[in-house]
Amino acid sequence: SQKIEQNSEALNIQEGKTATLTCNYTNYSPAYLQWYRQDPGRGPVFLLLIRENEKEKRKERLKVTFDTTLKQSLFHITASQPADSATYLCALDNNAGNMLTFGGGTRLMVKP
Amino acid sequence: NAGVMQNPRHLVRRRGQEARLRCSPMKGHSHVYWYRQLPEEGLKFMVYLQKENIIDESGMPKERFSAEFPKEGPSILRIQQVVRGDSAAYFCASSPPWGEHRYPVTGELFFGEGSRLTVL
Repeated sequence: SQKIEQNSEALNIQEGKTATLTCNYTNYSPAYLQWYRQDPGRGPVFLLLIRENEKEKRKERLKVTFDTTLKQSLFHITASQPADSATYLCALDNNAGNMLTFGGGTRLMVKP
Repeated sequence: NAGVMQNPRHLVRRRGQEARLRCSPMKGHSHVYWYRQLPEEGLKFMVYLQKENIIDESGMPKERFSAEFPKEGPSILRIQQVVRGDSAAYFCASSPPWGEHRYPVTGELFFGEGSRLTVL
């Protein structure tokens, strides 16, 4: 069966460190993978998209890698800040490319 | 440019009543998606609609749930005879038509702030 797995345990890190979140998937052949941020009581907000033929994508302090052999994406936040504390969701397209399936999310807590 | 608008933000219903959740997509967007999020869980796809058409409803429960996106007006997610297990946050998202974008073609979704349904 298809699965998208993110670490369900909260990730606690110290301000200024790099946070690394993992997204693993099975039985998908996504054309692209996306990362979203969700704050409590709010809707998800798009952060980054990476295509299957891209190894790495950067945006300001964010970096995403995509390894289609390992079926894994890593999401990095460098120089983390308390304001980065949120739940981060990865999402894959279905084979038709018209619908996203989300992982369960990982909660990040950045301590001052 | 207003974002995706959902209402009501909070809705309380008793078991057996009906819940209607509304979603107005971003201006110019013709694709609407509904997702459900249970407490401490991820987003689960329910249905994907375009104007007057249901494209994919593979995530919708077979009974009591229905969705529409009429030619005029918002998209509606309707839950009949609600039960306690329907308590959740329901999120609507929209995306632009394929080909009209400043984003990737099969790209990002724009989410509303959600409607939180509580069934007593």
